[in-house]
Amino acid sequence: RKEVEQDPGPFNVPEGATVAFNCTYSNSASQSFFWYRQDCRKEPKLLMSVYSSGNEDGRFTAQLNRASQYISLLIRDSKLSDSATYLCVVPFYNQGGKLIFGQGTELSVKP
Amino acid sequence: EPEVTQTPSHQVTQMGQEVILRCVPISNHLYFYWYRQILGQKVEFLVSFYNNEISEKSEIFDDQFSVERPDGSNFTLKIRSTKLEDSAMYFCASSPSGLKDTIYFGEGSWLTVV
Repeated sequence: RKEVEQDPGPFNVPEGATVAFNCTYSNSASQSFFWYRQDCRKEPKLLMSVYSSGNEDGRFTAQLNRASQYISLLIRDSKLSDSATYLCVVPFYNQGGKLIFGQGTELSVKP
Repeated sequence: EPEVTQTPSHQVTQMGQEVILRCVPISNHLYFYWYRQILGQKVEFLVSFYNNEISEKSEIFDDQFSVERPDGSNFTLKIRSTKLEDSAMYFCASSPSGLKDTIYFGEGSWLTVV
């Protein structure tokens, strides 16, 4: 299994749709997880942190299944401004610590 | 809101030239990182830096790469002899206390090696 693997995408959805992204990770020792958002040629920006079974912030819900080593991100009532690439990120605490990024799932929300 | 700043935003260099990318992390942060993203690929870890020394580095971070914190504010990435495959966006990042805190990314320096 790859360190972090995401749905390949792209996802093309109409405004108002609900969309879900999946991510699997290989390091069973990881305790926390992140979803970042990246706009074209911009820096990654933290969207949500997931420390226990899940986290909800407005239209965004992240869920964690430790047994399956699986994380998901649900976006409800999609807006045009949600169009971006969503990155699943897992910290690895060996030595100094580093973030391992998935390849990203591109979302395009259409009017 | 405090932010990580990077210069230059874009640099074009000839193969074999040395390049220095500069970063000013957020002032009270103690952990510093460089990541890179080749066009169309995922963000990759290069190196982490804490207490004036490298705490971890990836296989990508070979002898051509070095990092330095020459004063209390700057954090630099040097590539000694650039190759075509070094063309990428380089992101600097910082954090107050490592991975337990949010890691803040700079806007990136786009390096093109010709």
